[in-house]
Amino acid sequence: DIQLTQSPSFVSASVGDRVTITCRASRDVKSWLAWYRQKPGKAPELLIYTTSTLQRGVPSRFSGSGSGTSFTLTISSLQPEDFATYYCQQAYSFPLFTFGLGTKVDVK
Amino acid sequence: QVTLKESGPVLVKTTETLTLTCTVSGFSLSNAKMGVSWIRQSPGKALEWLSHISSNDEKSYSTSLKSRLTVSKDTSKSQVVLTMTNMDPADTATYYCARLTRGYGDAFDFWGQGTLVTVSS
Repeated sequence: DIQLTQSPSFVSASVGDRVTITCRASRDVKSWLAWYRQKPGKAPELLIYTTSTLQRGVPSRFSGSGSGTSFTLTISSLQPEDFATYYCQQAYSFPLFTFGLGTKVDVK
Repeated sequence: QVTLKESGPVLVKTTETLTLTCTVSGFSLSNAKMGVSWIRQSPGKALEWLSHISSNDEKSYSTSLKSRLTVSKDTSKSQVVLTMTNMDPADTATYYCARLTRGYGDAFDFWGQGTLVTVSS
């Protein structure tokens, strides 16, 4: 099974900060990587798929990059609604999937 | 609009079998591009993918839970059903169903609200 390792596990930040989260895959997943935001008590919501494609309706402050085994989610200017937990997910091994363990972004 | 909604028991006992139903609307389970996965989240923990069923009825399961899971669908009822046998307190979690659309990175673009299942001994 493909494992996904996210870092850091926790980020303390302020509104307006630039935040970067990394996801590393245990083997090459090409560009088959997605990112989700999960607000407390809510279901996850898709932000980005195939590494860098923004899901419809997602603000442009979110961006993704990378390929192979190393990927990055960047929030250019953190907003109040972005204090949440973020997960990466690989789909290279479709129809088997894996999620990372998450990165929690909280208030500094 | 696209919606998914999970339903099933709130409480199950150890060793019992859990049956969850995901009722979808706004798309058809027979659409070649659509599939539905089950994903769970134990309290305070990460998301864990469990099972997937594609439009052509292809089924897949988490390696670690494969022996306990069965997924099926009833296209006419717009429902996907997951059964998990031999429930344990460690299976206490919120269970989500989510839609996957092929051609869009094979990511989960719509999710149900989730249903919390507690397993008691």
